[in-house]
Amino acid sequence: KNEVEQSPQNLTAQEGEFITINCSYSVGISALHWLQQHPGGGIVSLFMLSSGKKKHGRLIATINIQEKHSSLHITASHPRDSAVYICAALPNTGNQFYFGTGTSLTVIP
Amino acid sequence: DTAVSQTPKYLVTQMGNDKSIKCEQNLGHDTMYWYKQDSKKFLKIMFSYNNKELIINETVPNRFSPKSPDKAHLNLHINSLELGDSAVYFCASSQAVWNEQFFGPGTRLTVL
Repeated sequence: KNEVEQSPQNLTAQEGEFITINCSYSVGISALHWLQQHPGGGIVSLFMLSSGKKKHGRLIATINIQEKHSSLHITASHPRDSAVYICAALPNTGNQFYFGTGTSLTVIP
Repeated sequence: DTAVSQTPKYLVTQMGNDKSIKCEQNLGHDTMYWYKQDSKKFLKIMFSYNNKELIINETVPNRFSPKSPDKAHLNLHINSLELGDSAVYFCASSQAVWNEQFFGPGTRLTVL
């Protein structure tokens, strides 16, 4: 069993829709990292957060440390948001990131 | 300006060969990492270096040997390549250990 679970595994949305991707983890963590992997393969850091909420453009990440849960929201989704979104949890022991298996998002025009 | 670069981008080789992948970062970061992404797209840490010192060495065959000549470079050498080594290998860096990570473009290794 993976320490980090993401849902859904696959998501198809119409352009303009509000999208939520969930990440839950089984260990106590000190931080959570959201990454985006483009269809071409490159990986980009979106957020790293340890509490509350962070916003960058149309992307919002929230985390509830006590509930061991984080969400990534995309407002007014666009086809260029189509990618795999990966969350990675840094345990309190801080010895490595545990990665989720990713959520594949397709936004249809 | 490229922040984390890797060469080569693609590497196709025969079983049993030895190959190297190079990684360089110009972000002034202290920590660098090598990850392996398998066919199911799962990222797994292989090695981490902080200030040229090895700090993470996951359960990786000793055919894989990282080398960090300075803080800006972390190269990966693989001996006696096997079919199961086929994957995409990503280099990453962060300002300090387990801070926000910045990834290179990846090297797709195919072993025939």
